[in-house]
Amino acid sequence: DAGVIQSPRHEVTEMGQEVTLRCKPISGHNSLFWYRQTMMRGLELLIYFNNNVPIDDSGMPEDRFSAKMPNASFSTLKIQPSEPRDSAVYFCASSFLAIDSYEQYFGPGTRLTVT
Amino acid sequence: SQQGEEDPQALSIQEGENATMNCSYKTSINNLQWYRQNSGRGLVHLILIRSNEREKHSGRLRVTLDTSKKSSSLLITASRAADTASYFCVTGSSNTGKLIFGQGTTLQVKP
Repeated sequence: DAGVIQSPRHEVTEMGQEVTLRCKPISGHNSLFWYRQTMMRGLELLIYFNNNVPIDDSGMPEDRFSAKMPNASFSTLKIQPSEPRDSAVYFCASSFLAIDSYEQYFGPGTRLTVT
Repeated sequence: SQQGEEDPQALSIQEGENATMNCSYKTSINNLQWYRQNSGRGLVHLILIRSNEREKHSGRLRVTLDTSKKSSSLLITASRAADTASYFCVTGSSNTGKLIFGQGTTLQVKP
């Protein structure tokens, strides 16, 4: 298994531009999570999906952020318009949620720099 | 909040020594997990301990759980330079799979 795949690995963009981050979870997993990590705020959960349905998006910073999961094998996190304070590493993780078993598998992350 | 809080925030030891990291949490849990993050990389699951377990081993890792004190510890024995990483104690909801990460302990193992 290739693990969780994220693209791009690095993204540099100018303020105001639209940014789309992509994630392919591990096949067979039924939950997907988007995190953001910065030195100041640590690792923050932005949104997560169970069976492709968004369950909790309370961590999404503001309306500029949106996430979709059109099918079990693909998810996107979009920032429009981007701002310098969005610069961070964004991680996608997936898991198979079962009773008492929910180890998460993380992708390598996308390092976003907004200038 | 069920957030785990790690202690110490940073730890520096010599290769071959043991490293102990502690974690405290606030609410009742079904289980507790430890993750490792190497610099610039994604997190990797290390071990899960259930609330009815007191101790668990995995290779050079030993995890303890004291639910009465709402605390856990991670011991890495015979540390190696490759163990240099950040370590996170994680609690969460067994219903949703949502995990809450603390700030982590940064471990440096000097060769």
